[in-house]
Parts: sequence; C-alpha cells; structure tokens
Amino acid sequence: AQRVTQPEKLLSVFKGAPVELKCNYSYSGSPELFWYVQYSRQRLQLLLRHISRESIKGFTADLNKGETSFHLKKPFAQEEDSAMYYCALPNSGGSNYKLTFGKGTLLTVNP
Amino acid sequence: DAMVIQNPRYQVTQFGKPVTLSCSQTLNHNVMYWYQQKSSQAPKLLFHYYDKDFNNEADTPDNFQSRRPNTSFCFLDIRSPGLGDAAMYLCATSNLLTGWDNEKLFFGSGTQLSVL
Repeated sequence: AQRVTQPEKLLSVFKGAPVELKCNYSYSGSPELFWYVQYSRQRLQLLLRHISRESIKGFTADLNKGETSFHLKKPFAQEEDSAMYYCALPNSGGSNYKLTFGKGTLLTVNP
Repeated sequence: DAMVIQNPRYQVTQFGKPVTLSCSQTLNHNVMYWYQQKSSQAPKLLFHYYDKDFNNEADTPDNFQSRRPNTSFCFLDIRSPGLGDAAMYLCATSNLLTGWDNEKLFFGSGTQLSVL
C-alpha cells in the first residue's frame, strides 16, 4: 500500500533563510505527488504538483525516484509562508483520484 | 466565493446520538469525498462518491454512512458517535475530466465534531 512520510512535525526558520520540508513515499509504480498547504484559518488547498514542474509562491519540489522523496523547497522563506504543509500521493491500484496524505509539517517563519 | 461549503463549522453531539454533517459545492464536480482528521494526524479518507456511486474505504467503520442526493450536496451520517469520533471532518471535491488535472482536490473549511 502507498505511504507518505513527513518526518518533521514542526519546522522553524527565520525570514530569508532557506527552507526544506521533507516528504518520503512508498508506492508501487510511477507516483504523482502533491503538496497541499493550509494557512491559518483557511482551508486546505493545493500548492503544487510534481507533474507540472512549476514554482508556486517561490516553492519547488523535485521528485527523486531513487530516494523516493518529494521535498518542498524555498530559497528564502517569508513570514507569510507559515502554515501547515501536507505531502500527498494518489492511492495505488488504479484509483488515482483518491489521495493519501502525510501527517503534515507545521512551518513557522520567524521575523 | 466559497466553492465547497461545510455546515456547521462546529458541531457538538452526545455519545451515541446520531449526527449529520453537510457539504455543498458550487463547482459541479462529479466526485465528493469525506476525510476525517484527528489532531496531529493526516487527513484520512472515509469514502467518496463518484457521481452516484458510493465507494467506501475498507477500514471505514460501519458507524459512518454517507448520502449524496444530488450533485451539489453530500452528507456524512454518524449513527452512534463515540468519543473516538471527535475530529475535524473535511469535505472535498474533484472533477474527473480526461487529462491530468483530475487529482486536484478542493476542500471545504471542515466541521469540527465534539462528542460529549
């Protein structure tokens, strides 16, 4: 069965510092991975997906199949990046529109 | 411009007393999901509707049921809530068209359920 692991429950950085939120996965086949974000008092929303290879709000994430990782990175963190971040991947076995989420990492960017 | 609306935001029920949580959407999406999220845990999929077809996850307790009377509305029924069912319940939708954008989920704000 697929699994998503976010090893860090909490991550605290200073404004302007680089940030990396870790995500590791186990999946049979070629996964498609996502990062979802939840800002304070807002709903959970899609941040980015690996298939689109885009940078959203300065964040990027590269799929590393050798390390089975999909870490989220930003070179210069901003205070408004403070939020809960969830890594997610579709369920294996054909139902690729159902997502399995990691437990999340709470990012705090200090001034 | 809320697109996935969950009511109420907070729900308090008594142990064993049936409770219904509601979700509506203005996106006309064909898939609606219910996730359960307990404190410090990952959102966990309970079940989903693909159009009118109900799909239950294997480990979802029988105590949890769902109804989708039309495209816009979906309900989560907990027949006999236990203390362990206290959680945030998230409704989400997606639109399964051909192409690669089908896994993007749109979430509601959630209903925080307390069981006394």
